[in-house]
Amino acid sequence: SQTIHQWPATLVQPVGSPLSLECTVEGTSNPNLYWYRQAAGRGLQLLFYSVGIGQISSEVPQNLSASRPQDRQFILSSKKLLLSDSGFYLCAWSVWGQGDGGYTFGSGTRLTVV
Amino acid sequence: GDSVTQMEGPVTLSEEAFLTINCTYTATGYPSLFWYVQYPGEGLQLLLKATKADDKGSNKGFEATYRKETTSFHLEKGSVQVSDSAVYFCALKAPNNDMRFGAGTRLTVKP
Repeated sequence: SQTIHQWPATLVQPVGSPLSLECTVEGTSNPNLYWYRQAAGRGLQLLFYSVGIGQISSEVPQNLSASRPQDRQFILSSKKLLLSDSGFYLCAWSVWGQGDGGYTFGSGTRLTVV
Repeated sequence: GDSVTQMEGPVTLSEEAFLTINCTYTATGYPSLFWYVQYPGEGLQLLLKATKADDKGSNKGFEATYRKETTSFHLEKGSVQVSDSAVYFCALKAPNNDMRFGAGTRLTVKP
């Protein structure tokens, strides 16, 4: 079956520290992968998406970056966190023409920058 | 570009009340429409979907009908429960597979 794993579930980091969030997908090949951020009480903001290994598209300029070193692995990083980076980060995947046509989301990582 | 607009809320209802969350869309083509639900502290889950005009999506007592003439996909439930308390997102998927989400509507159901 197709599953998506996202970790860690919760993270508290000081301002200026680095960040690495990982997302992996199982049970499918060549998925489209997405990173979203959800600020407190707000909607979803698409940060990055990837249609293949090494292919990253950025939707919002910021101090975050994303990488896709393997087909089913998507990493969100930052060299120096800002207070404004706090939020709930969600990874999602989809495959063109497969499944219910929607996106499948991970369980999210709650990041608090202090 | 393609987008959805949904009522912002928050919405507070008593148990067994009728629920409507409005969603309208703007699209140049014929998108698929979705409702996602996010329970506290979790990721989003697909609740229901419709892929063409007049389709009705349904799941867990929730329903939404794809209305091309009013460009709407309103979410309804006849009798809400406390366990339905969550944030609900309307979304559309354009033919190029891009998913556009609404801002989300927080529903709180009180016993």
